[in-house]
Amino acid sequence: KAGVTQTPRYLIKTRGQQVTLSCSPISGHRSVSWYQQTPGQGLQFLFEYFSETQRNKGNFPGRFSGRQFSNSRSEMNVSTLELGDSALYLCASSLGHTQETQYFGPGTRLLVL
Amino acid sequence: AQTVTQSQPEMSVQEAETVTLSCTYDTSESDYYLFWYKQPPSRQMILVIRQEAYKQQNATENRFSVNFQKAAKSFSLKISDSQLGDAAMYFCAYRSALGGNQFYFGTGTSLTVIP
Repeated sequence: KAGVTQTPRYLIKTRGQQVTLSCSPISGHRSVSWYQQTPGQGLQFLFEYFSETQRNKGNFPGRFSGRQFSNSRSEMNVSTLELGDSALYLCASSLGHTQETQYFGPGTRLLVL
Repeated sequence: AQTVTQSQPEMSVQEAETVTLSCTYDTSESDYYLFWYKQPPSRQMILVIRQEAYKQQNATENRFSVNFQKAAKSFSLKISDSQLGDAAMYFCAYRSALGGNQFYFGTGTSLTVIP
């Protein structure tokens, strides 16, 4: 099976812009979670989607949003980008909402100038 | 919220030797899952090993094993016969068994393997 894929792999934006990141889970996986990884804050949970519904949400401002499609693919959107949003954004998938093992994608490296 | 602590930012080990990475966590829950993930320089996070809190037996995956001490809330990873490919950042993670895929990660331990 193909692993979790994320596009794009690298992205450069300027402050105030918005960005959309995409994640395709492992075939058959229905839960997708997003994490932000920075040197200062480490890995922080953004949100989880399962069956097109947001099931959990981390402590991030409303500028961070997401959605999931019927084929389980997920997108994450960040509006009004700030310099501090520069990070590696990781997507992880699992079979279901209660399946405990997550498999991670390679990440999208976002740089905000 | 649960917290996960990795007190060793960096560790090094000679090739073929054994190294132990430490992890402690804080939770009031009795049922949960613990994980070790590896993140090589290429950045892809890879699952190394997982442990169910209700199981007393320590998990083992080939050269990787854990020492799970539930009462002490400790979850260390032992890597035996270290190989150059083991060099990576290692993250300890906690997940509640109550449902939901919110993982809490430690800050990571950077492991260097010396030839």
